[in-house]
Amino acid sequence: GQSLEQPSEVTAVEGAIVQINCTYQTSGFYGLSWYQQHDGGAPTFLSYNGLDGLEETGRFSSFLSRSDSYGYLLLQELQMKDSASYFCAVRLHTGRRALTFGSGTRLQVQP
Amino acid sequence: DARVTQTPRHKVTEMGQEVTMRCQPILGHNTVFWYRQTMMQGLELLAYFRNRAPLDDSGMPKDRFSAEMPDATLATLKIQPSEPRDSAVYFCASGLVLGQKINQPQHFGDGTRLSIL
Repeated sequence: GQSLEQPSEVTAVEGAIVQINCTYQTSGFYGLSWYQQHDGGAPTFLSYNGLDGLEETGRFSSFLSRSDSYGYLLLQELQMKDSASYFCAVRLHTGRRALTFGSGTRLQVQP
Repeated sequence: DARVTQTPRHKVTEMGQEVTMRCQPILGHNTVFWYRQTMMQGLELLAYFRNRAPLDDSGMPKDRFSAEMPDATLATLKIQPSEPRDSAVYFCASGLVLGQKINQPQHFGDGTRLSIL
């Protein structure tokens, strides 16, 4: 089958580290992307993993393990402004050259 | 910074009315996407275009929705007739997608918040 799953909510405190997981099932893999969306805002691109391993961009890192069909987004030194929804996205349908977005993980950063 | 521009930002109308949403993609981008976002369904892909040609509209209810790209600077999404269940935020996104590299960043507009009464 084809699916994309991520937790619905995660809560963490300011200054902490949080990991948002994403598991997928797809025939034909073309990489895993992450997007951030603040309430009332538009999704914005955060990162992309095409190969196994860790990609780092400032306080954010994204990891991929193709053998495990699994990836995660790691947010370090959490700030209140990181409170948002985070979406992983993959190409789920080989016949459809477009991304499918997960249902999103709502991150709440508490003081 | 280059941005995707969507109009209108908000639209409230009665069921049965025609709704037209417009999108100006970022200059130089060759792919335009239309998404619908609701609490229940999340972010759903409705249709997308590559070099102005429709590549996929399988996510769109064909009987009432239509998407076009009359020129490289304008994409439109129309609903006729509109129904209350169409109430959602509609996002347009554009990107420079080369070959199979569909994971190139998509740049989203601010969305059209549509309410059908």
